[in-house]
Amino acid sequence: SQTIHQWPATLVQPVGSPLSLECTVEGTSNPNLYWYRQAAGRGLQLLFYSIGIDQISSEVPQNLSASRPQDRQFILSSKKLLLSDSGFYLCAWSAGPIMPRGTIYFGEGSWLTVV
Amino acid sequence: KNEVEQSPQNLTAQEGEFITINCSYSVGISALHWLQQHPGGGIVSLFMLSSGKKKHGRLIATINIQEKHSSLHITASHPRDSAVYICAVRLGGSQGNLIFGKGTKLSVKP
Repeated sequence: SQTIHQWPATLVQPVGSPLSLECTVEGTSNPNLYWYRQAAGRGLQLLFYSIGIDQISSEVPQNLSASRPQDRQFILSSKKLLLSDSGFYLCAWSAGPIMPRGTIYFGEGSWLTVV
Repeated sequence: KNEVEQSPQNLTAQEGEFITINCSYSVGISALHWLQQHPGGGIVSLFMLSSGKKKHGRLIATINIQEKHSSLHITASHPRDSAVYICAVRLGGSQGNLIFGKGTKLSVKP
C-alpha cells in the first residue's frame, strides 16, 4: 500500500533562518507531488506541484522554493523565513502520470511557527 | 469573493443527528473532493465527485454540476465524526490546481 511521510511535524524557527520540510512517498512510482499551505483562518493554498524529477511548477510567488531530487522525495525550502511563512504545510501525492480525476492523498502536515 | 464557499463554518450537533455541509463554487471544474481533517492535522480524502452521488458507510456526497453545488451528508452522526470537513475543487484541464474552501468545523456531542 502507498504511504506518505512528512517531517518535521512541528517547527519553531526565527525570522531570517532557513527552512527545510521533507516529504517522501512509498509504494508507488512517478507520483505527482504537491506542497500546500493552510494559513490561520484560510483555506488550503497550493504552493508547488511536480509531475517528475526536477519538474516543478510554482502556483504563487513567495519566499519558498521546492525541489524534487528523487522520484518520491519532495522538499520545501526557504533561505530566509518571514513571519508570514507561519502556517500548516501539507505534502500530498496523486497517482502519475497525469490523471485529472485522481484522488489526492495528504501527509500528516507540518506546523511551522516563525518567531 | 472566494471561488469555493462552504457553509456553515461551524456546526454543533447531538449524536444521532443528520448533518449536511454545503459547498458552492463559481468556476468550471473537472472534479470536487470532500476531505476530512482531524484535530491532529492529518487530512484524508472522503470522496471525489464529478457527477451524481456517492455513498460510503454513513457518509453521502452529492454534486449538481449545473448549479455548481455539492453537499456532504452524515447520517446517524457520532462524536468520532468531529473534524473539519473541507470542500476542494479541481479546475478543468489542470492537473495540480486544487482550490479549497475554508472548511466546516463539526462537533458532535454525545
